[in-house]
Amino acid sequence: EIVLTQSPGTLSLSPGERATLSCRASQSVSSSYLAWYQQKPGQAPRLLIYAASSRATGIPDRFSGSGSGTDFTLTISRLEPEDFAVYYCQQYGSSPLTFGGGTKVEIK
Amino acid sequence: EVQLVESGGGLVQPGRSLRLSCAASGFTFDDYAMHWVRQAPGKGLEWVSGISWNSGSIGYADSVKGRFTISRDNAKNSLYLQMNSLRAEDTALYYCAKAAGWELLRYYFDYWGQGTLVTVSS
Repeated sequence: EIVLTQSPGTLSLSPGERATLSCRASQSVSSSYLAWYQQKPGQAPRLLIYAASSRATGIPDRFSGSGSGTDFTLTISRLEPEDFAVYYCQQYGSSPLTFGGGTKVEIK
Repeated sequence: EVQLVESGGGLVQPGRSLRLSCAASGFTFDDYAMHWVRQAPGKGLEWVSGISWNSGSIGYADSVKGRFTISRDNAKNSLYLQMNSLRAEDTALYYCAKAAGWELLRYYFDYWGQGTLVTVSS
């Protein structure tokens, strides 16, 4: 099983700041089958990034993903008020599919 | 518009069974793999099970293997999760999620339902 470790657990930032979220895998994620999801309180998760760096339909370009192998990053270039949420990474290349524990981006 | 509507959750005693359903619309259901993902109260996301477009490939998390069974009825555009021998630790909001392709693996989840709550307690 591929274990995904997200850091930090909580990120306290102000609107307009840059957010950098990390997702580290216990073994290589094949073909960069890594996705990022955003979840707000009381809502279902929403797909942001797939294949490590491809933005999903309708996702603003302030969201970007990078990385390969075992180290992946989600960057939000300038935080908007609606971006404060919990973010999860997921690998979907091998079974069992796994999610990271999440990073909460909160308003400082 | 893609819609995924889960149902069947509720309060159940430990050791009993429950069957969840997910009604899909707005896309060609039998072209896509489908998954169940759960979220315990205040916790993160946990993949539970997935099924390929034609039910040829199925996978389960170790935590539910042997107790849960995923299935689909393409004629009814529906996904199911039969949950047996339920435990307190199965208490969670269960989401139905659509994969972006037909296989069990190699496709991310592009649409999610709103979830159905399962509470296992005596």
